[in-house]
Order: sequence, then C-alpha cells, then structure tokens
Amino acid sequence: DVQLVESGGGFVQPGGSLTLSCAASGFTFTSYSMNWFRQAPGKGLEWVSYISSSSSTMYYADSVKGRFTISRDNANNSLYLQMNSLRAEDTALYYCARGKPAGYWGQGTLVTVSS
Amino acid sequence: EIVLTQSPGTLSLSPGERATLSCRASQSVSSSYLAWYQKKSGQAPRILIYGASSRATGIPDRFSGSGSGTDFTLTISRLEPEDFGVYYCQQYGSSPYTFGQGTKLEIK
Repeated sequence: DVQLVESGGGFVQPGGSLTLSCAASGFTFTSYSMNWFRQAPGKGLEWVSYISSSSSTMYYADSVKGRFTISRDNANNSLYLQMNSLRAEDTALYYCARGKPAGYWGQGTLVTVSS
Repeated sequence: EIVLTQSPGTLSLSPGERATLSCRASQSVSSSYLAWYQKKSGQAPRILIYGASSRATGIPDRFSGSGSGTDFTLTISRLEPEDFGVYYCQQYGSSPYTFGQGTKLEIK
C-alpha cells in the first residue's frame, strides 16, 4: 500500500526555520513527482510546492517563493521542505502528496508559527 | 496565475438528492488538467476526479466530472451520507497549481 508519512512539524517563532520530511513507501518513489500542500486553520487547501521525479523541475507558490525549498532523496524515498523566514501566516497542517494530480496524501504535520 | 472560483459556497441537500458543484477558471485550463478533491474534517484530502472527467481509483460512479476550458462541473448523482464535506477543484496544468475556495456540502 502507498504510504506517505510527514514529520518535522512543530512550534517555531516568526523568522525561524523548520524542515519537514515525508517518508514514502509502497511504490516506486523515483517514478513520481511530489508535492507539498497546506491547510491553515479554518481555511481552504493551498498548493505549496512541486518537484519532478528527477528533481529537474521545482515550482513554488508565490506566498513561499524565496523562503521555502523543496527537495527529494530518491535513494531514501524521502521528500523534504526546508522552510525559512517563517511567518504567522505559514501556520498550517502541511501535507505531502504523490503525483500530479495528487492521488495519494499523507496525514499531515502541523506547523505553528507564533511568538 | 489561474484563479478558480467555486459555486455555490454552501450546498444544503438531503441524502438521495443530486448535487451539482461548479468551478470556473479565470483562463483556460490546459489539457483539462482539472481535479476535484473531497476533504473531511480530520482526514487527508481524497482525489475524486482528474483530467476533468476521469474517476480516480475506487471512486463510486455516482461521482462524475465534466467540462473543459474555463467551466467545470462535479456531479454527485445520488448523495450518500458519507458524501458530505468540503469539495475543492484544483488546476494542475500551469504553475502555480491553484485551488478553488471550496464548496461545503452539508446535510439539509
């Protein structure tokens, strides 16, 4: 079965950094592009970032461009999101998801940015 | 950036009724790269439809998608109790891969 397990969320002060991880299993990781999405409390879904299967292409939402970096380690079936200069509006449940469109999702990891 | 506008914001219906949800794009969605997701509180989103009209694996045939260009529709032919939740459309044809604001489908 396809499994995506996010980790690395937590509480961080504004301006701080955090790295999210997503461990993938149950499928050939190298064959799929991956995404990060988020949902802020009481808000809708927001796409955050995309990375192609070979890491040759990466895209970002304007709201995170220049602050967040997506990467993957195909040898270890892992996806990452390095988040810098965090703001209160980055507070959300962050999901990793497989493919374009996103056919499989993890359960999410919560990021809280607050002073 | 393609802006997706969903309507209505809230839909109140009874089990057994037909639901029609709309998603309108500010510009044409390339190759009908339009997906629909269902989101329930405390659960991860679930993909229902991709490519505007193809049902994802395991999705009941009461769910159907249609449309092209800038106008898309998700239809649920006969509502079951488990269908209530929030539905989102998303275009994945051109970055940024935007979502609509969602339609809340609630029990009447």
